Amino acid sequence: KAGVTQTPRYLIKTRGQQVTLSCSPISGHRSVSWYQQTPGQGLQFLFEYFSETQRNKGNFPGRFSGRQFSNSRSEMNVSTLELGDSALYLCASSLTGFGADTQYFGPGTRLTVL
Amino acid sequence: GENVEQHPSTLSVQEGDSAVIKCTYSDSASNYFPWYKQELGKRPQLIIDIRSNVGEKKDQRIAVTLNKTAKHFSLHITETQPEDSAVYFCAAITRGGSARQLTFGSGTQLTVLP
Repeated sequence: KAGVTQTPRYLIKTRGQQVTLSCSPISGHRSVSWYQQTPGQGLQFLFEYFSETQRNKGNFPGRFSGRQFSNSRSEMNVSTLELGDSALYLCASSLTGFGADTQYFGPGTRLTVL
Repeated sequence: GENVEQHPSTLSVQEGDSAVIKCTYSDSASNYFPWYKQELGKRPQLIIDIRSNVGEKKDQRIAVTLNKTAKHFSLHITETQPEDSAVYFCAAITRGGSARQLTFGSGTQLTVLP
């Protein structure tokens, strides 16, 4: 089975721009969660999607949004980018959710905001 | 908000010795506690998890213990090997209003010296 994939792997943007990141889960997995990883703040939960609905949400501002399609692929959007949004963005998929079964992480998208 | 504290932030052990990493959590309703290993430049991988109805779980050289009363859980690695060198993250499901989050500890950099 193919693992979780994320595109693009690297991205450079400037302040004020917006960005969309994509995550393709393992086949059959319906839950996709997104995380931000930075040296200063560590790993932080952004949100979880299940069956095209946002099921859980972390403590991030509304500039961070996402969606999930009928094939379980998910996208994350960040609008009005700030320097502090520079981070590794990881997605993870699981069959039914992060508390119910094993999450498998993707390789991440490295976002740099200049 | 709910948080998860992890100690120590760095840990060096000799090959063959044991390593222990400890985490505490504040949400008494937390019921799922995974541990992730992240090697340099790679994605996090689940290595073991425990649910609140179990006090201890073991998988070969890795074990996790949970003390619900004290709200802390620990990762134990025995007979450490150089390939155990990585950053280890604990996590717990915490509540944010009606939603759930997966809250991570700040990570422990484990170095196994040959």
